Amino acid sequence: GEDVEQSLFLSVREGDSSVINCTYTDSSSTYLYWYKQEPGAGLQLLTYIFSNMDMKQDQRLTVLLNKKDKHLSLRIADTQTGDSAIYFCAGADSWGKLQFGAGTQVVVTP
Amino acid sequence: DGGITQSPKYLFRKEGQNVTLSCEQNLNHDAMYWYRQDPGQGLRLIYYSQIVNDFQKGDIAEGYSVSREKKESFPLTVTSAQKNPTAFYLCASIRRYGGGENTEAFFGQGTRLTVV
Repeated sequence: GEDVEQSLFLSVREGDSSVINCTYTDSSSTYLYWYKQEPGAGLQLLTYIFSNMDMKQDQRLTVLLNKKDKHLSLRIADTQTGDSAIYFCAGADSWGKLQFGAGTQVVVTP
Repeated sequence: DGGITQSPKYLFRKEGQNVTLSCEQNLNHDAMYWYRQDPGQGLRLIYYSQIVNDFQKGDIAEGYSVSREKKESFPLTVTSAQKNPTAFYLCASIRRYGGGENTEAFFGQGTRLTVV
C-alpha cells in the first residue's frame, strides 16, 4: 500500500511563497491530491495532479510531481493568513483506497 | 445540496460506555471511510466500506465497530474496549470516476469525542 510522508510544520511570512513537500512509496496512484484542513473542520480537496503530469497550476497553487523520485510538492504563492491550516497529501493505492500523509501545519505570520 | 453530514459535532462519553457517531451522505457514493485524528498526527483509518453490506478493518479497528445497512449511512460505534477514544473523528465519502482509477474524498465536519 501507499506510504506517504510529509514534513510536519512550516512557518511563512504573509506575502511570501510556501512550499509543502511530500514523498510517497507506491507508484500505482493515478492521481495525487492535496487537501486542506482548517481548525476544527473536515478536510477539503484543494487540488490534484494526474500522475503523468509534472506540473499543474491553479491560480495561486502550483503542484509539482517528480515521479522518478516519488516527490510531490505544493507551492502557494503570495501566502495569506487564510492559508494557515494543515495540508495533507494523499494518494490512492491500487485498490482505490486513499492513504494520507501526517499533514503539514502551515502558520502564516504577519 | 449534496453533502456529507456528521453528528454530533461534540460528544462526551463516560468511561465504560459505548457511543455511536453518525455519518450520512446524499452524494450517492458507494465507498465511505472512518478516520481518527489525534493532535500532531495524521489521519488513521479505522474502517472502510466499499459497498453496502460490506466493510473492512482499517489500520486501527480494535475497539470500534461499524455497519453499512444503507448506502447513505455508515455509523461508527466506539466501544468500551477502545482504550483511548478521545480524538477527532472524520467520516469521508469517496467518489470514483474515470473508470474507477480516480478517487476524491468528501469529508464531514468531524465529531470531537471526549471521554470524561
